[in-house]
Amino acid sequence: DTGVSQDPRHKITKRGQNVTFRCDPISEHNRLYWYRQTLGQGPEFLTYFQNEAQLEKSRLLSDRFSAERPKGSFSTLEIQRTEQGDSAMYLCASSLVRGFGAGVRNEQFFGPGTRLTVL
Amino acid sequence: AQKITQTQPGMFVQEKEAVTLDCTYDTSDPSYGLFWYKQPSSGEMIFLIYQGSYDQQNATEGRYSLNFQKARKSANLVISASQLGDSAMYFCAMGSVNNFNKFYFGSGTKLNVKP
Repeated sequence: DTGVSQDPRHKITKRGQNVTFRCDPISEHNRLYWYRQTLGQGPEFLTYFQNEAQLEKSRLLSDRFSAERPKGSFSTLEIQRTEQGDSAMYLCASSLVRGFGAGVRNEQFFGPGTRLTVL
Repeated sequence: AQKITQTQPGMFVQEKEAVTLDCTYDTSDPSYGLFWYKQPSSGEMIFLIYQGSYDQQNATEGRYSLNFQKARKSANLVISASQLGDSAMYFCAMGSVNNFNKFYFGSGTKLNVKP
């Protein structure tokens, strides 16, 4: 399977603990995105990388959140001092952005997500 | 600011019939792309169809077609000949085609296909 993979699929933690999620994008893709999805809502953008550079962060990404993409391959999302409000599905997506303009599709391919439950 | 609105929280359709899922959007960006994704209960988002803002014709991908009305800022998804496997959440999303930095998603429509 050469799709986007995420690990772990499920994580249960206690409030105040730190957690780290991993995303492995499709190998030739140059962009990697993190989204958060709460129950009954669509995904919300958190941050994205162009190769190893983190180019944009949403204001949803508080100081307790940090994301990295060393060497432009896999990415990690760490949440420090978790709170119950952090409980959500964390989705990773990747894309191969070849160009810009409305004629270029540049769809994002999503992984299965990591479901975080903070007790 | 960009915004996607999906006003149908849930829809039912009989197997083999067609169904339309509504999506309206708001953006000040003259160049944008509209995407539809399917999310089964397993959680993975599956790309279905894309429409660029300057496309003259409505996009089609197999049983999926997009009814794009630019003046009304709507991009409705039409699924023809519904199958039981079509039961899932469906999300409309929009992205700027100048940088593809992020997608904005609607709140989704839960489609149930009845046998």
